[in-house]
Amino acid sequence: AQTVTQSQPEMSVQEAETVTLSCTYDTSENNYYLFWYKQPPSRQMILVIRQEAYKQQNATENRFSVNFQKAAKSFSLKISDSQLGDTAMYFCAFSTTGNQFYFGTGTSLTVIP
Amino acid sequence: DTAVSQTPKYLVTQMGNDKSIKCEQNLGHDTMYWYKQDSKKFLKIMFSYNNKELIINETVPNRFSPKSPDKAHLNLHINSLELGDSAVYFCASSQGVRGGNTIYFGEGSWLTVV
Repeated sequence: AQTVTQSQPEMSVQEAETVTLSCTYDTSENNYYLFWYKQPPSRQMILVIRQEAYKQQNATENRFSVNFQKAAKSFSLKISDSQLGDTAMYFCAFSTTGNQFYFGTGTSLTVIP
Repeated sequence: DTAVSQTPKYLVTQMGNDKSIKCEQNLGHDTMYWYKQDSKKFLKIMFSYNNKELIINETVPNRFSPKSPDKAHLNLHINSLELGDSAVYFCASSQGVRGGNTIYFGEGSWLTVV
């Protein structure tokens, strides 16, 4: 079965602090790709970061970085220097052959001023 | 320019009506999708088209019929709307169906059935 689990339905962080969102997944595929998407209150789904499973190096994108542990099937997102605009729902996802995407249930992040 | 645009953004309609949501992408992508996000924010694939051909058709009632006149457009028509159809519907596109292609989403169409 292809599943994505985000065990933290809600999180909060103080502005300028660092927060880590957890994600685990299950797949029998060898080739897959991992993503974090952000959904602010406007509801637009925005790509935050992408990771190829065959790459050992963790992806980074400005203040966003991932901790990819392939053996543990874990793909957490770290947000450094949190900003008010980071308040959003964050979805972890992976895609397999045929670009079939599987999404987690999301983590609602609130950045507190 | 909006990369993936869908209309209308908000739609309130009565049970039993028929409605359509239109989607267009100007990214030159070959593949387009429809996703449904329910009240619990769960995102689920409904359909996927590659170069106008249906490639993913998840378990969706027959009342939902996608149409792709060309690879830049994927419209969703819903017949006999039910209360349970209330959700946010997202159109999306990707460069192709090869694994790893990033999906780019539209802004969503918020459908409320009363």
